[in-house]
Amino acid sequence: KNQVEQSPQSLIILEGKNCTLQCNYTVSPFSNLRWYKQDTGRGPVSLTIMTFSENTKSNGRYTATLDADTKQSSLHITASQLSDSASYICVVSARNTGNQFYFGTGTSLTVIP
Amino acid sequence: DADVTQTPRNRITKTGKRIMLECSQTKGHDRMYWYRQDPGLGLRLIYYSFDVKDINKGEISDGYSVSRQAQAKFSLSLESAIPNQTALYFCATSEGSRGHTGELFFGEGSRLTVL
Repeated sequence: KNQVEQSPQSLIILEGKNCTLQCNYTVSPFSNLRWYKQDTGRGPVSLTIMTFSENTKSNGRYTATLDADTKQSSLHITASQLSDSASYICVVSARNTGNQFYFGTGTSLTVIP
Repeated sequence: DADVTQTPRNRITKTGKRIMLECSQTKGHDRMYWYRQDPGLGLRLIYYSFDVKDINKGEISDGYSVSRQAQAKFSLSLESAIPNQTALYFCATSEGSRGHTGELFFGEGSRLTVL
């Protein structure tokens, strides 16, 4: 069964600290993995995409990793800011002709001053 | 202007009423989707459409119907709303298979409350 699991469910950190969010998946055949950021009351927006051959990719203070062998991904946020407070959703795309997107339930991150 | 526009943004209605949520997009994408989001459950797919003549059920289609009026428009209807359909609804688009990058573009959401 195609599934995406994220941990932790929620996280509170102090401004300026780093944190790492986890995503494990069993989606097959794998196409790519995206991390989305969803601000409260807004639609999710893509932060980064990871394809099968990529191990690490950065987007500013966000760094995503992918281990295709263990089917795990992480999102590392460096020097957190108050504006990083949001839900972070891991979405895995499958290579097939039907519905292609499998969603994690998200990690709710709160950055406090 | 937003690339994916949803109307209404907020709606309160009563049990048994018919509700339509509308979505329009200017991205020129073939594929459109309706999701609902509930706390702790994440985003779940209701219906999706790969072109104007294509409609497919998602994992939670019961109690919902859709219409793809044009490439740019995809509406979601609740024929007889019930309280457990209270949720945040998102429309999304993605490119077709030829240009598929796996990115979904979401609207700002429609918050529906059924009393």
